[in-house]
Amino acid sequence: QSALTQPASVSGSPGQSITISCTGTSSDVGGYNYVSWYQQHPGKAPKLMIYEVSNRPSGVSNRFSGSKSGNTASLTISGLQAEDEADYYCSSYSSGSTWVFGGGTKLTVL
Amino acid sequence: QVQLVQSGAEVKKPGASVKVSCKASGYIFTGYYMNWVRQAPGQGLEWMGRINPNSGGTNYAQKFQGRVTMTRDTSISTAYMELSGLRSDDTAVYYCARGTSYSFDNWGQGILVTVSS
Repeated sequence: QSALTQPASVSGSPGQSITISCTGTSSDVGGYNYVSWYQQHPGKAPKLMIYEVSNRPSGVSNRFSGSKSGNTASLTISGLQAEDEADYYCSSYSSGSTWVFGGGTKLTVL
Repeated sequence: QVQLVQSGAEVKKPGASVKVSCKASGYIFTGYYMNWVRQAPGQGLEWMGRINPNSGGTNYAQKFQGRVTMTRDTSISTAYMELSGLRSDDTAVYYCARGTSYSFDNWGQGILVTVSS
């Protein structure tokens, strides 16, 4: 079970939009619509932001959206705000009732 | 509201075992899988496995097969994760996380396990 591939870092200015990619294989991202995204601020537990590719849990801003094409999933954050600065991780269900995470992406709001 | 409260930090010597706990409240404990995820210092998240609190059935990541044991006590709504044969690279924060819709919707506060001689 190899980790999903994410860019190490992305950045954007307040008000802009950014997209974080998450690339896997046909055994995980490409094989199931069970990609989720997590936001983690320093020293804190992760927080679920997107589940089942594009669904937002109650209370999560609609500035966060998710999509998937083939073996690559994406998280888009629109109208960047200072509080969005954090680490973001994707995760996917994988064959054999297991899960795999991406390596994480550090978002910097300039 | 859903709460997952984990036990305190642990310091262990190489080769030892550690057993950490996660007490759930605010929902029906047996209705949701409990997952364990760890994060080494400065590193990413790593899924270790999960337990079905209703049946006790488990799924473990291949990396931890033979070294990890997940159990639960339904009478006190608590899940446990025991890791044996500890090595220095097992030093990490260990989280429990409730599973739902193939994602992890609520997380414990994390437990730092330090492995050092």
